[in-house]
Amino acid sequence: QSVLTQPPSASGTPGQRVTISCSGSSSNIGNNYVYWYQQVPGTAPKLLIYRNNQRPSGVPDRFSGSKSGNSASLAISGLRSEDEANYYCKTWDDNLSDGSLSGPVFGGGTKLTVL
Amino acid sequence: QITLKESGPTLVKPTQTLTLTCTFSGFSLSTSGVGVAWIRQPPGKALEWLALIYWSDYKRYSLSLKSRLTITKDTSKNQVVLTMTNVDPVDTATYYCAHRPGQHMDDAFDIWGQGTMVTVSS
Repeated sequence: QSVLTQPPSASGTPGQRVTISCSGSSSNIGNNYVYWYQQVPGTAPKLLIYRNNQRPSGVPDRFSGSKSGNSASLAISGLRSEDEANYYCKTWDDNLSDGSLSGPVFGGGTKLTVL
Repeated sequence: QITLKESGPTLVKPTQTLTLTCTFSGFSLSTSGVGVAWIRQPPGKALEWLALIYWSDYKRYSLSLKSRLTITKDTSKNQVVLTMTNVDPVDTATYYCAHRPGQHMDDAFDIWGQGTMVTVSS
């Protein structure tokens, strides 16, 4: 069970806008950057968003990220069939007792279906 | 162009030690800010971060697996090695290594290897 909560599934039709949420706490999302990864089944994950809302070169501007408080969201506009994949949020989880035990944590993933 | 490739056994017996190697090119693990991480994914399940080694040789481990993991680097060979002791069938997963660029991308894992599937079974 991850400390980051994502809906297990989401869906939309081509051209629609969909959002995927990622909920955490002040020890992770609330005080750290959020990253988003796309994983097409059978392939390695691909970085979509870093520093909450920044896109690496080559990632279409249809993908956007945001963060507010202890939650973050990934929005995909102009949905395409090739967007059908699993999406994972990731952030840093702070261990307040021992900083050396802090590290990255992934959400449980959201399977996006393009209807 | 940055590439990473994982290698290691495909089948390991319970209680044995698993050793995985990540061989990379296109970057140096002695460059400030850079790191290499290991992440695994059991079949049909979510990603799980395991360990991270930085250019400075500082290491971080997943709290739940810390006692079983060791990550090391050989900068001259462009390799990062992960060992996991006392494996169990629940450790069956695809294991990935990934590049941490640091700098303005902070803790992003921007380039991933193709992954290597490891099955733990007697």
